[in-house]
Amino acid sequence: QKEVEQDPGPLSVPEGAIVSLNCTYSNSAFQYFMWYRQYSRKGPELLMYTYSSGNKEDGRFTAQVDKSSKYISLFIRDSQPSDSATYLCAFSTQGGSEKLVFGKGTKLTVNP
Amino acid sequence: KAGVTQTPRYLIKTRGQQVTLSCSPISGHRSVSWYQQTPGQGLQFLFEYFSETQRNKGNFPGRFSGRQFSNSRSEMNVSTLELGDSALYLCASSRGRGPYGYTFGSGTRLTVV
Repeated sequence: QKEVEQDPGPLSVPEGAIVSLNCTYSNSAFQYFMWYRQYSRKGPELLMYTYSSGNKEDGRFTAQVDKSSKYISLFIRDSQPSDSATYLCAFSTQGGSEKLVFGKGTKLTVNP
Repeated sequence: KAGVTQTPRYLIKTRGQQVTLSCSPISGHRSVSWYQQTPGQGLQFLFEYFSETQRNKGNFPGRFSGRQFSNSRSEMNVSTLELGDSALYLCASSRGRGPYGYTFGSGTRLTVV
């Protein structure tokens, strides 16, 4: 079983749509949950992070973590063409480990 | 504020050669990590350095090595290049206090022919 599973898409939505991106994981030691956004020809940039189950909201973005199901989601409300990018989930364990384990990314296109 | 700088941006090498990639972290950041990104495997952790010491290492062969200098700049080296080493190599820096503070560079695109 892979440590992290993420649907690669691609996902194409009209402007203004609600986007749902998901990852499942198998490593119970993961305690930190992150979403990164990567534009073409750029490095990933951190969008959101959390370490607890439940929802965390930041503007149009909501990160959701369900530790019991080992499932995390990122919701984008009122999606914009500028949201077109690859979205990567990332995980880390406790103990100061600086190793991040990434999903393979979901490519999102928001059409005007 | 200056971001993470990786040089060169693009590189073409021949199988069997070796290559050195460079990363200059954000000022004040003491942790530098390296990742390999390929379409098939995604982003995979190579190693992490903090204050010139390797603190963590991923599952890559010994052909992949790195080091960090006293000014926190880091280099990674790949010897005896294989076609499968073609990838985007990303460097990320942080203050080294937890997994949230990473800033990634734009990467070095390595093509092995």
